[in-house]
Amino acid sequence: DSGVTQTPKHLITATGQRVTLRCSPRSGDLSVYWYQQSLDQGLQFLIQYYNGEERAKGNILERFSAQQFPDLHSELNLSSLELGDSALYFCASSVVGQLEGANVLTFGAGSRLTVL
Amino acid sequence: GESVGLHLPTLSVQEGDNSIINCAYSNSASDYFIWYKQESGKGPQFIIDIRSNMDKRQGQRVTVLLNKTVKHLSLQIAATQPGDSAVYFCAENTGFQKLVFGTGTRLLVSP
Repeated sequence: DSGVTQTPKHLITATGQRVTLRCSPRSGDLSVYWYQQSLDQGLQFLIQYYNGEERAKGNILERFSAQQFPDLHSELNLSSLELGDSALYFCASSVVGQLEGANVLTFGAGSRLTVL
Repeated sequence: GESVGLHLPTLSVQEGDNSIINCAYSNSASDYFIWYKQESGKGPQFIIDIRSNMDKRQGQRVTVLLNKTVKHLSLQIAATQPGDSAVYFCAENTGFQKLVFGTGTRLLVSP
């Protein structure tokens, strides 16, 4: 157990729907990162939050949004889902806001989203 | 968190052999590199890291080599065991507050 908790583990939904993925970071970690892992793209960085504020943005679609709450848990909202959104979505956490030196990401086990 | 199904290059070795997994990175300004291991059903797990001012770093049974001239990173696993079977990713810190991951290599270890 990495200490990063993601729910749900598996989710099956239809095109056009909206889902919310949840992440609880490791105790003491202030920063949360979301990654998408699909068949043809590997691990793609989506977005980072630090202590409730957006810190960095990657290749996140406009249909996707995220937030980090005062208790530091984070949610990734995916709307108007398309078949191509089927993927594993990973949350990772780290102690400080900037990835530097020995600041290592700790990943959760992921949420597998299947869009039919 | 399984990675089964990813279209990845595969390295097949026998138990006890040494494994070498290679990675080419993209950004010459990257100052920090990490190797991750992803087992079936789990998220990526940290193996070893190296800063850009080093060319070699050793851990327990693992060694990372960095060649900045050709932007190449390798992970060497000594005496590979069946438990080493997984997908291995390199990642580079591009300096823009995020890690950029390579496409990954699947390591298969036969007993």
